[in-house]
Amino acid sequence: ETGVTQSPTHLIKTRGQQVTLRCSSQSGHNTVSWYQQALGQGPQFIFQYYREEENGRGNFPPRFSGLQFPNYSSELNVNALELDDSALYLCASSVRLAGLTDTQYFGPGTRLTVL
Amino acid sequence: AQSVAQPEDQVNVAEGNPLTVKCTYSVSGNPYLFWYVQYPNRGLQFLLKYITGDNLVKGSYGFEAEFNKSQTSFHLKKPSALVSDSALYFCAVRPGSGNTGKLIFGQGTTLQVKP
Repeated sequence: ETGVTQSPTHLIKTRGQQVTLRCSSQSGHNTVSWYQQALGQGPQFIFQYYREEENGRGNFPPRFSGLQFPNYSSELNVNALELDDSALYLCASSVRLAGLTDTQYFGPGTRLTVL
Repeated sequence: AQSVAQPEDQVNVAEGNPLTVKCTYSVSGNPYLFWYVQYPNRGLQFLLKYITGDNLVKGSYGFEAEFNKSQTSFHLKKPSALVSDSALYFCAVRPGSGNTGKLIFGQGTTLQVKP
């Protein structure tokens, strides 16, 4: 098991609501990446946070936003939920040194269901 | 467009036989290549990576992968499969250009090892 934890484990929301997912990175890691994994698909990169700033973003609309805190933990916020947002949301932590990001270690994920 | 392909949705192998899970990629620059495994209702677990050097990379649980630059492939292998190896396997690539550490994943290959 990695030292990456995510909460909650499962979440059910209705369309139009807002949701916040949380991630605690592995000790010593300073970078957090978020991915969305739809059923039967590979994970899709949402964005990455380093030094509390967004450092790269995938093809996701602005209603997907995030934060990174001084202790390197992170939140993913999704506004105006849509049915297609139903997925497993994965957080990955890593070390970034000299401008390069090392291996990403994943948490167990949060299963979001939008009704 | 940058992409990763895992041409087989499922690979079936008898316990004790060698296994291969295929992966090809199309990205810019010199990519970093990874294999992850996902067990049901779990996050992704890191198996191995190729950055540079020897084309044969050894990883966790007896798995290894062979990098072939001319064929842009990074196939996962194991000399003797175990029933406990049955899981969903993802190949991922981090493009050589840029520094976000964004991973691009394949669609995944389900490995079934039968006793």
